[in-house]
Amino acid sequence: AQSVTQPDIHITVSEGASLELRCNYSYGATPYLFWYVQSPGQGLQLLLKYFSGDTLVQGIKGFEAEFKRSQSSFNLRKPSVHWSDAAEYFCAVESGGNKLVFGAGTILRVKS
Amino acid sequence: EAGVAQSPRYKIIEKRQSVAFWCNPISGHATLYWYQQILGQGPKLLIQFQNNGVVDDSQLPKDRFSAERLKGVDSTLKIQPAKLEDSAVYLCASSVTYGYTFGSGTRLTVV
Repeated sequence: AQSVTQPDIHITVSEGASLELRCNYSYGATPYLFWYVQSPGQGLQLLLKYFSGDTLVQGIKGFEAEFKRSQSSFNLRKPSVHWSDAAEYFCAVESGGNKLVFGAGTILRVKS
Repeated sequence: EAGVAQSPRYKIIEKRQSVAFWCNPISGHATLYWYQQILGQGPKLLIQFQNNGVVDDSQLPKDRFSAERLKGVDSTLKIQPAKLEDSAVYLCASSVTYGYTFGSGTRLTVV
């Protein structure tokens, strides 16, 4: 079965520092991959998605992610974190049949 | 475009009571989903509709949960009777061709 692993439950970074959130997936075919962000009390907002083509994907709010098939990874990055980026981040894979399987999430804390 | 609308935003009930959640998807989105997000976990799919038909309800605890999507638009999710472990955020989403949009969710607390 398809699965997504986000190894880091919590990450704390200083404002202005770079960020990388890890995501590993298990999927037999070419995956469709997504990153979502969830602020407290809010729904999920799509940051970016990968279907095919260029393995470096640009998203909203200055985020990017790189698909690495050899490592089954789709890590999210941002060169300079802002305090407003503090939230929970979810990686997801489309599991066939047009539905998503999510990781457990990574909570990002930003310290000033 | 208007987003996915859900109500209520919050609900507190006692165990063994019943509760219902409502979702209005984005206009034209044929596929509608209900996800359950327990604190500290990622969302898990409960049920998927295509128009007004069920595509996947394999993870829906059918002894207590039910869902319908009449006329292929709005949907309701019901829990009867509720258990303590049903405390979670219930997210509705709709999609067209891998473009998923989520509502803000209903936070259910069962006491």
